[in-house]
Amino acid sequence: EADIYQTPRYLVIGTGKKITLECSQTMGHDKMYWYQQDPGMELHLIHYSYGVNSTEKGDLSSESTVSRIRTEHFPLTLESARPSHTSQYLCASAVLGSNEQFFGPGTRLTVL
Amino acid sequence: LAKTTQPISMDSYEGQEVNITCSHNNIATNDYITWYQQFPSQGPRFIIQGYKTKVTNEVASLFIPADRKSSTLSLPRVSLSDTAVYYCLVGAVAQAAGNKLTFGGGTRVLVKP
Repeated sequence: EADIYQTPRYLVIGTGKKITLECSQTMGHDKMYWYQQDPGMELHLIHYSYGVNSTEKGDLSSESTVSRIRTEHFPLTLESARPSHTSQYLCASAVLGSNEQFFGPGTRLTVL
Repeated sequence: LAKTTQPISMDSYEGQEVNITCSHNNIATNDYITWYQQFPSQGPRFIIQGYKTKVTNEVASLFIPADRKSSTLSLPRVSLSDTAVYYCLVGAVAQAAGNKLTFGGGTRVLVKP
């Protein structure tokens, strides 16, 4: 089992709220990723990081931001949630030099 | 990034072998081919990765022809629990920044009793 955790697992909030989705891994992986996936649809990469203080935007434009202050922690923040942000958010990590990504259980976000 | 094309869906029956072919005509010299499996409401799970010829593990086999423009994931003797979406990804295994994989639409495999 991969040691990668996401909290909360489910979140229902109102429009305009600021939220932070947490992702932590205990494997010492340098690479971390955030994906967004609607039910039955493709995964879209929204952010990734190659190590502390490294963050990059992914293929899908996102209004969220990320930070990587510690190797094990890669939180994603939405400053003002909107109904269009309703989706599942998946965090993953991998070692440098590998394409084997380990995924967390996901956070299912609903913005009313 | 090399683009991949794979069938949208496939049906099979328990005990049969399932072969999913992925096309990646513009694969680069440094690119590896990686396959993932995803069950509903879960994150994808790594199945197998290869560069050329054949790779086999306890779950699947991956066949890659000499020109590397396609690859075939083979699932032997599938069971109902193999019903999932299977993704083919192509990308370099880079040590430095710039390496990211793109998950396409995947192939929905339905295993019937």
